[in-house]
Amino acid sequence: QVQLQESGPGLVKPSQTLSLTCTVSGGSISGGDYYWNWFRQPPGKGLEWIGYIYSTGDTSYNPSLKSRATISVDTSKNQFSLNLNSVTAADTAVYFCATGLVWTGFDIWGQGTMLTVSS
Amino acid sequence: DIQMTQSPSSLSASVGDRVTVTCRASQSIGTHLNWYQQKAGKAPNLLIYAASTLQSGVPSRFSGRRSGTDFTLTINSLQPEDFATYYCQQSYTTPWTFGQGTKVEIK
Repeated sequence: QVQLQESGPGLVKPSQTLSLTCTVSGGSISGGDYYWNWFRQPPGKGLEWIGYIYSTGDTSYNPSLKSRATISVDTSKNQFSLNLNSVTAADTAVYFCATGLVWTGFDIWGQGTMLTVSS
Repeated sequence: DIQMTQSPSSLSASVGDRVTVTCRASQSIGTHLNWYQQKAGKAPNLLIYAASTLQSGVPSRFSGRRSGTDFTLTINSLQPEDFATYYCQQSYTTPWTFGQGTKVEIK
């Protein structure tokens, strides 16, 4: 059974770049038809999709992030990562990684990691 | 972007009640609609995909239905562990978008 685990710094200063990693265990990040996603949820608010990297390496991002997000994969470590530059307080949220097949929903999620943007 | 309008934003119900949550898409999304349950401090949990298919392991008291661009999640005989927030999500086209959420509280 595939499991996901996010890791990150917890606190980032405004204007800096946040970097989060999702480690995949119990299966390979390569191959298959899986979409490897990042989502986020500001405190007390709803869910927002950030972007994905597909098994082919193709990526897609939410335009609301205005090209600040980059998702990459490291197959040797079975990880995928999110970089979000020029962060502001509005980027403070719990960040989740999740995977699944688009047509059957995202059925595997990490536990989430809180990221606070503050000086 | 496809807007997902979910209602109500919250509701109070008792154990044993039947509960219905509605989600309306701003354009046709076929059956590309998923429902998630989220408990406080936890990640979302997939309940239903493709509008009406129950995810493996999810109790049969949960069901989903589509009528055009309107989608409903029904919980028959609400159980104590069902008190949570529920989200719909369209997977028809990116950016994938969620409804605002419906918090189901104990009456």
